[in-house]
This record gives sequence, C-alpha cells and structure tokens, in this order.
Amino acid sequence: QVQLVQSGAEVKKPGASVKVSCKASGYTFASYYMHWVRQAPGQGLEWMGTINPSGGSTTYAQKFQGRVTMTRDTSTSTVYMELSSLRSEDTAVYYCARVLTTAVAALGFWGQGTLVIVSS
Amino acid sequence: EIVLTQSPGTLSLSPGERATLSCRASQSVTSNYLAWYQQKPGQAPRFLIYDASSRAAGIPDRFSGSGSGTDFTLTISRLEPEDFAVYYCQQYGSSPYTFGQGTKLEIK
Repeated sequence: QVQLVQSGAEVKKPGASVKVSCKASGYTFASYYMHWVRQAPGQGLEWMGTINPSGGSTTYAQKFQGRVTMTRDTSTSTVYMELSSLRSEDTAVYYCARVLTTAVAALGFWGQGTLVIVSS
Repeated sequence: EIVLTQSPGTLSLSPGERATLSCRASQSVTSNYLAWYQQKPGQAPRFLIYDASSRAAGIPDRFSGSGSGTDFTLTISRLEPEDFAVYYCQQYGSSPYTFGQGTKLEIK
C-alpha cells in the first residue's frame, strides 16, 4: 500500500531555512508526481508546487518562487521540500501528497504532515 | 490563476440530513479536473472525489460530486456523525493547483 512518511517537527528562527523530507513506499517511486501543500494554523490548504520524481523537474507556485526548492533522491524514494528565508507567516503544517495515478493529478495519498514553527 | 470560492463558509445540519456544498471557479476548470477532500482536526486531508464526480476508493456512496465548467457541488446524501468536518475543493487542470477556502460542516 502507498505510504508517505514525513520527517519530524522543526523549530526555526526567522531568516533560516527548513528542509522537510517525505519517504515513499509501496509503489514505483519515479512514476508518480509528488506535490507539497501547506496549512497555516486555523487556515486552509495552500498548494506550493510539484516535482516529477522521474527527471526531477519542478513547478512552483509563484508565491514561493525563489524561496522553495523541491528535490528527490531516487535511491531512497524520498522527496524533499526546502523553504528558505523563513518568516513567522511560514509557520504551518507541510504535507507531501502523491497524485492518484499517472493520468489523474488529484492528490490521492497524503503524508502525515510536518509542523514547522518559525519563531525567534 | 483560478480562484475557487466555496459556499457556504459554515453549514449547520443534523445527522441524517442532506448536505450540499458548492465550489465556484473564477474560470472554467480544464476537463473538469476538480477534487474534493475532507479534513478533520489534527489530520491530513482525506481524498474523496476526483474528476468532479468520481468517488475515490473506499469512499461511501453517500458522497457524490457533480458539476462542470465553473460550478461544482459535493453532496452528502444522509449525514453520518463522522461526516462533520471541513471540506475543500481543488482544481488540478491548470497550474497553480488551487484550493478553495473550505466549508465547515458542523453539527446543528
């Protein structure tokens, strides 16, 4: 069965960077795009971007362009999301989510979420 | 960017009643690539509906999706106690893959 296991909670100071991991199992890693979605406390879901684990190509939401980097390691079936120049507004739960199938880009499988707190 | 507007913001109903949640897009959603998710406090979103009207595996048939173009609806035919949660729509027809702001379904 598809499993996405994310790294643990992080506390960072403003201006720092954070790198969140998402380890996939139960399927052919390179075949399915992975997305990142975040949720600030008490707020809705916000799409951040996506990575093609096969070639590593990425598409980012304009809001995060220049601050976010999504990468993958095919040897460990892990994707990463690094967010730099952190500010308090980046405090949120960050989720990785896999598309349902190669033809359906809806987010069919979700990680458990990683809480990132940005505080001085 | 496609903006999705969900209504109402909060819906108060009783178990056994029918729930109708709306998601309106600022422009036509390509190929009706619209999904619905359910989220309970402290949990990751749960995938319910894709391609506007196809139910995900394991989702009870009391959940149904409909609509096309710019107007989409999630209907829960007879509410069960476990259905009270926040519901989000998302379009994945064009980047960025935007979400609606959510509808909170609460027990009346």
